[in-house]
Amino acid sequence: EAGVAQSPRYKIIEKRQSVAFWCNPISGHATLYWYQQILGQGPKLLIQFQNNGVVDDSQLPKDRFSAERLKGVDSTLKIQPAKLEDSAVYLCASSLAQPNTEAFFGQGTRLTVV
Amino acid sequence: RKEVEQDPGPFNVPEGATVAFNCTYSNSASQSFFWYRQDCRKEPKLLMSVYSSGNEDGRFTAQLNRASQYISLLIRDSKLSDSATYLCVNSGAGSYQLTFGKGTKLSVIP
Repeated sequence: EAGVAQSPRYKIIEKRQSVAFWCNPISGHATLYWYQQILGQGPKLLIQFQNNGVVDDSQLPKDRFSAERLKGVDSTLKIQPAKLEDSAVYLCASSLAQPNTEAFFGQGTRLTVV
Repeated sequence: RKEVEQDPGPFNVPEGATVAFNCTYSNSASQSFFWYRQDCRKEPKLLMSVYSSGNEDGRFTAQLNRASQYISLLIRDSKLSDSATYLCVNSGAGSYQLTFGKGTKLSVIP
């Protein structure tokens, strides 16, 4: 069974530039999450989708971050413009829309803003 | 107040030792609880779910105490391969949102 796919694996950009990350969840998983993980910390939820609707984006810095999941499958996360403090690993995860269910993570995109 | 709190460690233990981690959570409406494992520069992976009645899987035992709002993970007979960061996770009612702690780093030394 294919896992959660993310691309790119690594990205280095200069501050004030834009960047986009892509995620393809496990087939049939209605719930999709984007997490930001700064070195030495646990993953922090940025946004959660249920199919193509947003369930929670309360911690998404909306002045610079945006995300979409137009057809309820793939998702993109964009940062525009990037700041130095955005350097982190961006993890996409997906799960079935059921309680007590495991979330599966992609390998993440490691972003470095210089 | 942080929603999920863990001792960051590191816990340095010899092979064969027993080690325990605790985690406290602030959301009393939390429905589901998990321990995830994260190896260095890898993505988190589910280690085990934590049920009200507790959960045991080989050398790993997880317990939930709803009254005190904490969960625990016990690792018996530690192996070198157990070295990783252990993330405490809870999920609220209905939203399936997963809230992670900062993780507890374990190093098992020969």
